[in-house]
Amino acid sequence: GAVVSQHPSWVICKSGTSVKIECRSLDFQATTMFWYRQFPKQSLMLMATSNEGSKATYEQGVEKDKFLINHASLTLSTLTVTSAHPEDSSFYICSAKERSHYNEQFFGPGTRLTVL
Amino acid sequence: DAKTTQPNSMESNEEEPVHLPCNHSTISGTDYIHWYRQLPSQGPEYVIHGLTSNVNNRMASLAIAEDRKSSTLILHRATLRDAAVYYCIEGTSYGKLTFGQGTILTVHP
Repeated sequence: GAVVSQHPSWVICKSGTSVKIECRSLDFQATTMFWYRQFPKQSLMLMATSNEGSKATYEQGVEKDKFLINHASLTLSTLTVTSAHPEDSSFYICSAKERSHYNEQFFGPGTRLTVL
Repeated sequence: DAKTTQPNSMESNEEEPVHLPCNHSTISGTDYIHWYRQLPSQGPEYVIHGLTSNVNNRMASLAIAEDRKSSTLILHRATLRDAAVYYCIEGTSYGKLTFGQGTILTVHP
């Protein structure tokens, strides 16, 4: 089946630094990728949708200048958390859709971000 | 906002069938019903989806009410590995998924 990877799986950083999270579709071309955030004991919240080669569409309340999303190729999307603060600590999960399986999203394993 | 309602939690015994209900009374005619599940500290995993007809795959069955206002995910023989949070989601074909709180399924040995 389709596999999505994320790197790193966890990261600890100091407040004020920027962190980049990579999301890769390993065996298929992802026409669309999604980024979610999940706080402890809560559900997933969609942050943004990105299509290869175009700007990401952010959900209401998500700061696009703080959460930079780049979808430069059909297999790679990156999320950069700029000037991270403790309240940005969360579980970040990406997902990807393939054109031929338009009703199914393949999720990555998630990245645990802890900001000190 | 999530438009589906699910029980907060359910319990089952191993090797017994599990029926997970979901209400989606405001679903539009073109929205699919998707089910995903999430194990602790992992990304969600696709389970099944359907539009109008009942669906079966290797993981589960999806029974959709004739009026499409509700559906039931059926795990035919629960195993300990099926313990997870199960999300029922209305979704469009272009892929945006809005997750609700889901149902926490506990499977007892």
